Amino acid sequence: GDSVTQMEGPVTLSEEAFLTINCTYTATGYPSLFWYVQYPGEGLQLLLKATKADDKGSNKGFEATYRKETTSFHLEKGSVQVSDSAVYFCALEAAGNKLTFGGGTRVLVKP
Amino acid sequence: NAGVTQTPKFRILKIGQSMTLQCTQDMNHNYMYWYRQDPGMGLKLIYYSVGAGITDKGEVPNGYNVSRSTTEDFPLRLELAAPSQTSVYFCASSYRLSGVSNQPQHFGDGTRLSIL
Repeated sequence: GDSVTQMEGPVTLSEEAFLTINCTYTATGYPSLFWYVQYPGEGLQLLLKATKADDKGSNKGFEATYRKETTSFHLEKGSVQVSDSAVYFCALEAAGNKLTFGGGTRVLVKP
Repeated sequence: NAGVTQTPKFRILKIGQSMTLQCTQDMNHNYMYWYRQDPGMGLKLIYYSVGAGITDKGEVPNGYNVSRSTTEDFPLRLELAAPSQTSVYFCASSYRLSGVSNQPQHFGDGTRLSIL
């Protein structure tokens, strides 16, 4: 079945550091890929998405590129802020309109 | 804009008790979903609905029931609470057209449920 694997956290960074969260997937067909962010005490919010190979999703300084050849969708941000502290989830949507989530990566940005 | 609203936000149940987690959305979305999130884990799909009157099982449906009598509401029922059902429950909704996907799911803020 479909699956998503992302790096375990927590990831602790200093403000203005570069952030990368690795995400790889296994799926049949051509899934859409998503990054969701969960701030403390809140539900998940869509951060960015990509629907086909080589698409780049971007939002709030975050970027991720759909790499079909490596089945990856790594999340990057060039300069993180304290407000980026959250849990980040990689997810895919294949046939059936259902999301499959990775285990989440907690990111802590220190001033 | 209310979006997806879940009630209650917190609840403690005793083993064997029953309860209903409420979820309502005001975006006229046809699809609705229930997930559970265990500590340090991703979300797992419990049940989903593609429209009023239609529900289907997700990955972890055992111990739960749902109904979808209206477009707006999608309650989740626990009949005999067990400690294994201690989790955070999220409701989500999205709008889907036949043959078209990729519309993002919108999530509520969650219900934190403890079974003691």
